[in-house]
Amino acid sequence: DAGVTQSPTHLIKTRGQQVTLRCSPKSGHDTVSWYQQALGQGPQFIFQYYEEEERQRGNFPDRFSGHQFPNYSSELNVNALLLGDSALYLCASTTGIGHTEAFFGQGTRLTVV
Amino acid sequence: TQLLEQSPQFLSIQEGENLTVYCNSSSVFSSLQWYRQEPGEGPVLLVTVVTGGEVKKLKRLTFQFGDARKDSSLHITAAQPGDTGLYLCAGARSNDYKLSFGAGTTVTVRA
Repeated sequence: DAGVTQSPTHLIKTRGQQVTLRCSPKSGHDTVSWYQQALGQGPQFIFQYYEEEERQRGNFPDRFSGHQFPNYSSELNVNALLLGDSALYLCASTTGIGHTEAFFGQGTRLTVV
Repeated sequence: TQLLEQSPQFLSIQEGENLTVYCNSSSVFSSLQWYRQEPGEGPVLLVTVVTGGEVKKLKRLTFQFGDARKDSSLHITAAQPGDTGLYLCAGARSNDYKLSFGAGTTVTVRA
């Protein structure tokens, strides 16, 4: 049973560039959430996708956008990268929008230089 | 400010000792989860508690959800070096689909 998979695992980008991160949810899961985890901190909620729509959004600027595909996989896009965007980006999947028992991928480590 | 406050922030103990991590909030949660995270990896779900006063045991780990569903604790008996990691509590509130995480407790068990 495949768990949550994310790609790439590591990424280095220059300030001002754009980045796309990808996530495939756990088999049988249809809801994907994205979190940002800065060093030494707990994960912070970015947004959640269900039925290909953004259902809830955290306190992140519009530079952060996403998409969910018909096969439930998802992308996180960040435009105009800032040094402060350097973090571990985590994807979590759940079964249905009302369920919160989330399973996380290994994350994408983004470094902005 | 964090919705969930975890304490202590760091904990270093000798193998065989016991430890307790606390997770407190002024908000009521419909469910609360504990995760363990290794460096460079994603959090791994340990347990979910949903009922006030609930106690769940997972081998040497005991999890408790407060009666008012505002706080939780994780107790590890006879800690082993393999218990080393970042322990995160995360809560879900009614009508709120996201998980709110604490800042985490870094546990180091010395052999």
